Amino acid sequence: DIQMTQFPSTLSASVGDRVTITCRASQSISSWLAWYQQKPGKAPKLLIYKASGLESGVPSRFSGSGSGTEFTLTISSLQPDDFASYYCQQYNTYPYTFGQGTKLEIK
Amino acid sequence: QVQLVQSGSELKKPGASVKVSCKASGYTFTSYAMNWVRQAPGQGLEWMGWINTNTGKPTYAQGFTGRFVFSLDTSVSTAYLQISSLKAEDTAVYFCARRGSTSMDVWGEGTTVTVSS
Repeated sequence: DIQMTQFPSTLSASVGDRVTITCRASQSISSWLAWYQQKPGKAPKLLIYKASGLESGVPSRFSGSGSGTEFTLTISSLQPDDFASYYCQQYNTYPYTFGQGTKLEIK
Repeated sequence: QVQLVQSGSELKKPGASVKVSCKASGYTFTSYAMNWVRQAPGQGLEWMGWINTNTGKPTYAQGFTGRFVFSLDTSVSTAYLQISSLKAEDTAVYFCARRGSTSMDVWGEGTTVTVSS
């Protein structure tokens, strides 16, 4: 199975900050990577697909980059609504696997 | 609008079975695969597998074979997850999620299954 290592596991930041979350795959997954946002008690929400594609309706302050084994999710200017957990997921090879998640907290 | 509506919370005793439903609306059910994802309390997301809504063929991730069964009723645009011989460690929220052209683009709200004596 492809292992997805996501870091940091927790990130403290302030409104207006630029933050980056990294996800590393144990082998190449080309660009078959998605990022999801999850708030407590809610279902995950797709933000980014195919490493850098912005899902419809997602604010442009979210961006994704990378290919192969190294990927990043960047939020350019944090808004209050962005404090949540974030997960990467590879969908290159079965079984699809998620990173362990990053909890973005208010500093 | 496109949505997946899941069945309500379940409280089951160890050894019992549970069947979670996921009803799709707003799109052609058989045009998109359906995935299942588990989230244990306080933990991350775990992909369980998927079912081809055209053929009904399921694919299970390791760790979800044997007691877990994905099924469909295309006449009512509904996918099902059945878990038998429930154990305490099956306590989790179970999500269905449509695999669209981008990735898992539409999710159900989740069904909490609690296994306790």
